[in-house]
Amino acid sequence: KAGVTQTPRYLIKTRGQQVTLSCSPISGHRSVSWYQQTPGQGLQFLFEYFSETQRNKGNFPGRFSGRQFSNSRSEMNVSTLELGDSALYLCASSFRAGGYNEQFFGPGTRLTVL
Amino acid sequence: SQQGEEDPQALSIQEGENATMNCSYKTSINNLQWYRQNSGRGLVHLILIRSNEREKHSGRLRVTLDTSKKSSSLLITASRAADTASYFCATDSIYNQGGKLIFGQGTELSVKP
Repeated sequence: KAGVTQTPRYLIKTRGQQVTLSCSPISGHRSVSWYQQTPGQGLQFLFEYFSETQRNKGNFPGRFSGRQFSNSRSEMNVSTLELGDSALYLCASSFRAGGYNEQFFGPGTRLTVL
Repeated sequence: SQQGEEDPQALSIQEGENATMNCSYKTSINNLQWYRQNSGRGLVHLILIRSNEREKHSGRLRVTLDTSKKSSSLLITASRAADTASYFCATDSIYNQGGKLIFGQGTELSVKP
């Protein structure tokens, strides 16, 4: 089975721009979660989608948004980029709803905001 | 804010030695997962232990969970240079809706050949 894939792997943007990141979960997985990783704050939960519905959201501003499609693929969007948004963005997929499942992570998208 | 605290923050050992990392957390959990990350790449899932389990093994890995102390440990036996990475614990709180994991700050393991 193919693992979680994320595109693009690297992105360079300037302040004020917006960006869209994509995540394809493992085949058959219906839950997709997004995390931001920075040296200062570590790994922080952004949001989670299951069957095209956002079930949980972390403490991030409204500039961070996401969606999930009927094939379980997910996108996250960051508008009006700030320097502090530079981070590794990771998505994870799991098979069932709820917490009793392993979450498998993709390789991440490294976003640099100049 | 992060729920988990990992100890030590950094660990340096020789190949063949055992490495032990500890994780403490604050709220009651459904399960706890351990991950490995090499040099800012994606996270590799190592093992999941449920709240009603006390110990779990996978190859050279042994994980224990003490819910009364809200702590877990990861033991890597007979370590190899390839085990050099950052290791994170992640908890799924019983108060979560959906698949939110809360991560510790990680332990940086260096295994010298």
